[in-house]
Amino acid sequence: AQSVTQLDSQVPVFEEAPVELRCNYSSSVSVYLFWYVQYPNQGLQLLLKYLSGSTLVKGINGFEAEFNKSQTSFHLRKPSVHISDTAEYFCAVSPNNAGNMLTFGGGTRLMVKP
Amino acid sequence: GAGVSQSPSNKVTEKGKDVELRCDPISGHTALYWYRQSLGQGLEFLIYFQGNSAPDKSGLPSDRFSAERTGGSVSTLTIQRTQQEDSAVYLCASSPQTGLPSTEAFFGQGTRLTVV
Repeated sequence: AQSVTQLDSQVPVFEEAPVELRCNYSSSVSVYLFWYVQYPNQGLQLLLKYLSGSTLVKGINGFEAEFNKSQTSFHLRKPSVHISDTAEYFCAVSPNNAGNMLTFGGGTRLMVKP
Repeated sequence: GAGVSQSPSNKVTEKGKDVELRCDPISGHTALYWYRQSLGQGLEFLIYFQGNSAPDKSGLPSDRFSAERTGGSVSTLTIQRTQQEDSAVYLCASSPQTGLPSTEAFFGQGTRLTVV
């Protein structure tokens, strides 16, 4: 079984400041890792994913994440946030032998203030 | 269609009534998933369909919940004798036939169910 922990339920930050959203996971098998974003009243949209290879993954909207196997983490970062980045962010994992069945973290609400 | 379509977008029902939620996946996608998003519970896996294989129902919270997928396309999630704790946003996702590496799951906008 897999589990995902997002340590911060809310992260307030000022516009143009850097941000890091934390994600830790546990799994008895190898996993793929994902970050999804949910804008208000919208569905989930894939930001980025780690499947293999380079541990630094770049996604849409200037976000990136780094896979750290020893710390079982996949933290999401952006060097300078915009008001439009205000949304809920979900970290997720799927076992690499079980299709795309995703296990999600509880989500982190990013609130960007002017 | 261009994306995953769910209907209705909002549903208010009385406690004890049955409800049906519909999901139209992206054409050609063989995998279909249902998730539930509740306040304080995050996103919870419910059920997974892959092609003609038997569905993975391991996430269904009780026997009041069931789902079917007709013709490998449209899926219906049925909740019988609804309870207030069933109030949530029900999300559907689809993806192309999976292989390695894992491919992206595309989500619909969800159905917001309110049981009063």
